[in-house]
Amino acid sequence: DAKTTQPPSMDCAEGRAANLPCNHSTISGNEYVYWYRQIHSQGPQYIIHGLKNNETNEMASLIITEDRKSSTLILPHATLRDTAVYYCIVRVVTGKLIFGQGTTLQVKP
Amino acid sequence: DSGVTQTPKHLITATGQRVTLRCSPRSGDLSVYWYQQSLDQGLQFLIQYYNGEERAKGNILERFSAQQFPDLHSELNLSSLELGDSALYFCASSVPGVEETQYFGPGTRLLVL
Repeated sequence: DAKTTQPPSMDCAEGRAANLPCNHSTISGNEYVYWYRQIHSQGPQYIIHGLKNNETNEMASLIITEDRKSSTLILPHATLRDTAVYYCIVRVVTGKLIFGQGTTLQVKP
Repeated sequence: DSGVTQTPKHLITATGQRVTLRCSPRSGDLSVYWYQQSLDQGLQFLIQYYNGEERAKGNILERFSAQQFPDLHSELNLSSLELGDSALYFCASSVPGVEETQYFGPGTRLLVL
């Protein structure tokens, strides 16, 4: 399974952009990058995914480097409700999501 | 609200007992996944069912079993419970053909005393 590396924790000021990095240097050419988040023991929530092009939806933007070895999830205007654990996942086998430790994002007022 | 429902929300039981957790997927979703989240192990995939058939197995103990019924709801049966089985159990479902985008239920918190 492709290994991902995320910082264990990050802080962000409310209203500012939150940029969450993920390293996935062993990613294969056909593997997608997925981001999920989990808000305090709630069920994980799908955020966004991409292959090689940058992607944007109503929740976030995903920037993938040209060599695909890393990506950044961007929450453009973080709110207190965005405080959560964010998981970067790059290996999915028949729907099985492999969650790492993720990044705990603390949005502060 | 993801559209996935799980019952019960909380469950307290004793060691050696058996419990059943129930999950109803989103309307139209054929796949159901079960995950376990404990403090020391994090989120771990247990098992996947697709339209009534087992499709993938993860770190599921032999004491645990699951099934998916014709109406597509699923049940996770946990037997001979041990203290270490105390955890959050999540169910998720996905749209056919888009298995990586999963919608999670609110979970069942199991406490084994």
